[in-house]
Amino acid sequence: EVQLLESGGGLVQPGGSLRLSCAASGFSFSNYGMSWVRQAPGKGLEWVSGISGGGGTTYYADSVKGRFTFSRDNSKNTLYLQMNSLRAEDTAVYYCAKEKYQSETSGYNYWGQGTLVTVSS
Amino acid sequence: DIQMTQSPSTLSASVGDRVTITCRASQSASSWLAWYQQKPGKAPKLLIYKASSLESGVPSRFSGSGSGTEFTLTISSLQPDDFATYYCQQYNSYPWTFGQGTKVEIK
Repeated sequence: EVQLLESGGGLVQPGGSLRLSCAASGFSFSNYGMSWVRQAPGKGLEWVSGISGGGGTTYYADSVKGRFTFSRDNSKNTLYLQMNSLRAEDTAVYYCAKEKYQSETSGYNYWGQGTLVTVSS
Repeated sequence: DIQMTQSPSTLSASVGDRVTITCRASQSASSWLAWYQQKPGKAPKLLIYKASSLESGVPSRFSGSGSGTEFTLTISSLQPDDFATYYCQQYNSYPWTFGQGTKVEIK
């Protein structure tokens, strides 16, 4: 059974940093692209960042580029999202999500339960 | 960046109704489009991928169509479990982007 378990969320002051983790199990982790998607309270979904199966290629939304770093440790089946220079507008539930296919992007067929990040003084 | 615009933002419908949600892209997304259903407090669920392919386990009353810049999600006969918010997402080019969502409410 595929499982994605996020952790690391919490309350942080503006300008602060936080590192989210997503522990994956139940599939060949290194073969799949993964992403982070966030959802501000009462708002819609926002794609944040994506990473290739090998970890060598990353992509970012303009809103987080230069502040967030997405990485993965395939030996530990774990994703990381390092978030620096946090702003109030980064407050959201952060989901990690698994791409459906190894060789072709076709949406996310598994999602974690989400972890809440609150940026406030 | 490709901007995705869904319409309507809110839809009131009754059980048994045929429901159609539209998603328009600011530039071609080819057929690289997915539809998700989200219920309050839950993670999104994949319904449709590659514009018209039904995800395994999703009821056949859901269908998707379109290509290029215009896409639709149709629910042929709305069921009580279908009241939720629906999002489209393009994955033709980075940054991948979602529509703003369509909330399907009980009429």
